[in-house]
Amino acid sequence: DAGVTQSPTHLIKTRGQQVTLRCSPKSGHDTVSWYQQALGQGPQFIFQYYEEEERQRGNFPDRFSGHQFPNYSSELNVNALLLGDSALYLCASSLVRVRSHEQYFGPGTRLTVT
Amino acid sequence: AQSVTQLGSHVSVSEGALVLLRCNYSSSVPPYLFWYVQYPNQGLQLLLKYTSAATLVKGINGFEAEFKKSETSFHLTKPSAHMSDAAEYFCAVSSVEDTGRRALTFGSGTRLQVQP
Repeated sequence: DAGVTQSPTHLIKTRGQQVTLRCSPKSGHDTVSWYQQALGQGPQFIFQYYEEEERQRGNFPDRFSGHQFPNYSSELNVNALLLGDSALYLCASSLVRVRSHEQYFGPGTRLTVT
Repeated sequence: AQSVTQLGSHVSVSEGALVLLRCNYSSSVPPYLFWYVQYPNQGLQLLLKYTSAATLVKGINGFEAEFKKSETSFHLTKPSAHMSDAAEYFCAVSSVEDTGRRALTFGSGTRLQVQP
């Protein structure tokens, strides 16, 4: 049973650039959520996608955008990168019909902005 | 708005000792509650979850947690610590009220050290 996968593992970008991170959900899951985890902190919710639409959004600027594809995979895009965007970006998948909506996480993408 | 407080950013125990990691939540309605573990340079692994079926929840690796509504707590315990338990532990909540709002809200984490 394939778990949540993310690519790339690590990424180094320069301030002002744009980045795209990718996520494939756990087999059978239909919902993808993205979280940002700064060093030494708990994950912060960015947004959630279901049926190719953004269903819920956290307190993140419009520079953060996403997409969900028909096969349920997802992308996170960040424009005009700031030094403060350096973090571990975590993708989590879940099944909408499960009431508790427990989420399963991928290994993350470590983004460093210089 | 929901929130989670984890008391103690660092906890150190001896191998074989009881592990107790504290989590308190703030919510108008008892939420769904989760404990996750994060090993260095890895993602989060679900340890256990509370979904109102039972107040004492058993998870993987010998961990369990008890939901106490009167104390708004969901503390994580393990009777005997192993060296392999050293990691960061996160408590998280999600709302039961609005099925369209299922984001997890995390605590700030507790780093567990296990001394030989």
